[in-house]
Amino acid sequence: DAKTTQPPSMDCAEGRAANLPCNHSTISGNEYVYWYRQIHSQGPQYIIHGLKNNETNEMASLIITEDRKSSTLILPHATLRDTAVYYCIVRVGIGSSNTGKLIFGQGTTLQVKP
Amino acid sequence: NAGVMQNPRHLVRRRGQEARLRCSPMKGHSHVYWYRQLPEEGLKFMVYLQKENIIDESGMPKERFSAEFPKEGPSILRIQQVVRGDSAAYFCASSPRVRLDTEAFFGQGTRLTVV
Repeated sequence: DAKTTQPPSMDCAEGRAANLPCNHSTISGNEYVYWYRQIHSQGPQYIIHGLKNNETNEMASLIITEDRKSSTLILPHATLRDTAVYYCIVRVGIGSSNTGKLIFGQGTTLQVKP
Repeated sequence: NAGVMQNPRHLVRRRGQEARLRCSPMKGHSHVYWYRQLPEEGLKFMVYLQKENIIDESGMPKERFSAEFPKEGPSILRIQQVVRGDSAAYFCASSPRVRLDTEAFFGQGTRLTVV
């Protein structure tokens, strides 16, 4: 089962920042938060991941709260091509019964509007 | 560096036939994950393989489905005696190592239609 909770849908105006929240209150100390997106049934696209520090790359920024129980993905200047389903995933820990697999929830459908 | 390659992109099979889906991981990647996405649903984990080994098949249906990742060549997901309920998009992802801080990259999927 997914360990994250996301709003089912959000709208964002083109050119504005899109802030996608995610709750992961049961995250363990060594588990990373990953974000992927899926555009119109294409293969999921990796966006960003982090452990406890905020992260930024050419696609987005990831803000993780100090207690690590929630995070926010920020697309700084959303375009129409950013319309997609965004998945926040806590990657299951490595161990005898955990294999680092990504467990997808229902995600947030982000609609970027002109 | 080419991405994860899946073929065929579209596959049509009649009920009772076999479907073979191929996944060539990115260069240098020896870990492969398979996922299934039923229409209008999310991605469901099926199986995780390393070269020549099945590590986690907890998401695989007990019958008709099998997967392999030989020493040479692509990973294969095989579905025997397909039924209409097998119609879905099947995605694979590859990773160079299994660590929590290492991302996995997905292919564009194979869309299986059973008629």
